[in-house]
Amino acid sequence: GAVVSQHPSWVICKSGTSVKIECRSLDFQATTMFWYRQFPKQSLMLMATSNEGSKATYEQGVEKDKFLINHASLTLSTLTVTSAHPEDSSFYICSAPRGGWGTEAFFGQGTRLTVV
Amino acid sequence: KNQVEQSPQSLIILEGKNCTLQCNYTVSPFSNLRWYKQDTGRGPVSLTIMTFSENTKSNGRYTATLDADTKQSSLHITASQLSDSASYICVVSALRSNTDKLIFGTGTRLQVFP
Repeated sequence: GAVVSQHPSWVICKSGTSVKIECRSLDFQATTMFWYRQFPKQSLMLMATSNEGSKATYEQGVEKDKFLINHASLTLSTLTVTSAHPEDSSFYICSAPRGGWGTEAFFGQGTRLTVV
Repeated sequence: KNQVEQSPQSLIILEGKNCTLQCNYTVSPFSNLRWYKQDTGRGPVSLTIMTFSENTKSNGRYTATLDADTKQSSLHITASQLSDSASYICVVSALRSNTDKLIFGTGTRLQVFP
């Protein structure tokens, strides 16, 4: 079946550095991918919608200059957390719908980011 | 405001028992309702997707119901197993252009004990 692969699974970085997270659709093309953040014992919060070949759409309150999204191909979207701070520590998850409305949305396995 | 509420927040049951999780939503325009299972530290995995016209849908020991009139859904787990311990998230899609906007519930944390 369709699989969305996210890399890395976990990362520890120093405060002030940048971290890149990759999200790949392995056996289908995804013109749209979604990036979520999840804090402990809370549900997923949509950060932004990544659109292949165009600018990402960010949810209210999400800083686009801090969370850079690049969707350069139909199978790859990247999220870069720039100048990371401890409060950016969270679980980041991407998802990609295989088609239009009503179709399955596949989630990556998530990336645990810890900023020290 | 689009919202999805789930109950209970947490649930503990013994292995082999059945349980039912609830989901109420206020989402418009409604596209579909999904149930996901999320193991700790992992991404959600889809259990079912239900459209407006579907009342019941099963996936193995999981059976989801949808009442579009009252905007309620339930997920029934039969003969629970230890591996069912996870968070179960109700997600309602609001139709937006040509794709779905997913509205997530806060989840029900299920623990199955031997």
